[in-house]
Amino acid sequence: GDSVTQMQGQVTLSEDDFLFINCTYSTTWYPTLFWYVQYPGEGPQLLLKVTTANNKGISRGFEATYDKGTTSFHLQKASVQESDSAVYYCVLGDSNNRIFFGDGTQLVVKP
Amino acid sequence: DPKIIQKPKYLVAVTGSEKILICEQYLGHNAMYWYRQSAKKPLEFMFSYSYQKLMDNQTASSRFQPQSSKKNHLDLQITALKPDDSATYFCASSQDPDWGNQDTQYFGPGTRLLVL
Repeated sequence: GDSVTQMQGQVTLSEDDFLFINCTYSTTWYPTLFWYVQYPGEGPQLLLKVTTANNKGISRGFEATYDKGTTSFHLQKASVQESDSAVYYCVLGDSNNRIFFGDGTQLVVKP
Repeated sequence: DPKIIQKPKYLVAVTGSEKILICEQYLGHNAMYWYRQSAKKPLEFMFSYSYQKLMDNQTASSRFQPQSSKKNHLDLQITALKPDDSATYFCASSQDPDWGNQDTQYFGPGTRLLVL
């Protein structure tokens, strides 16, 4: 079945560091891929979405490239801020409008 | 103004009781969903409704019953509560489920349920 794998449970950085969160997916077709961000006490918020393979999504300084060859959708940001501290979920959407969340990566950014 | 309202924000219940979690969306969306997030686990899909009809049910237990009285409402009734039901329950909505994977789901703030 469809699934998403995020291996990094937590990433700890200092402000202005480069962020890279790994995500790989497994599916038999071309899904829509999302990154959602969840702040404490809130529901997940859409960060970015990509519908076509080998395209890039960009939002708020974050970017992710949908790579069909490596079945990856890694999240990157050139320079993180303390306000970026949150849980980041890689999400796969199938044709039945189901979405599958990865385990999430807790980002901690120290001032 | 919040676009997806979930009530209550916090809920404490005793084992064996029944509770209803409320969700209302003011985004004009045609599809609504329920997800559960247990401690230190990712969100888990439970139900989806499209135009007030059940589309998908991935919840094994019949103790969980969605109720849609209006197009923009999808409540979740939980009967015979167990401590394992303790979790945060998120409601979500999307514009048009017929768009398939082009559709995007937007989430409410959640109801945190604790069953003692």
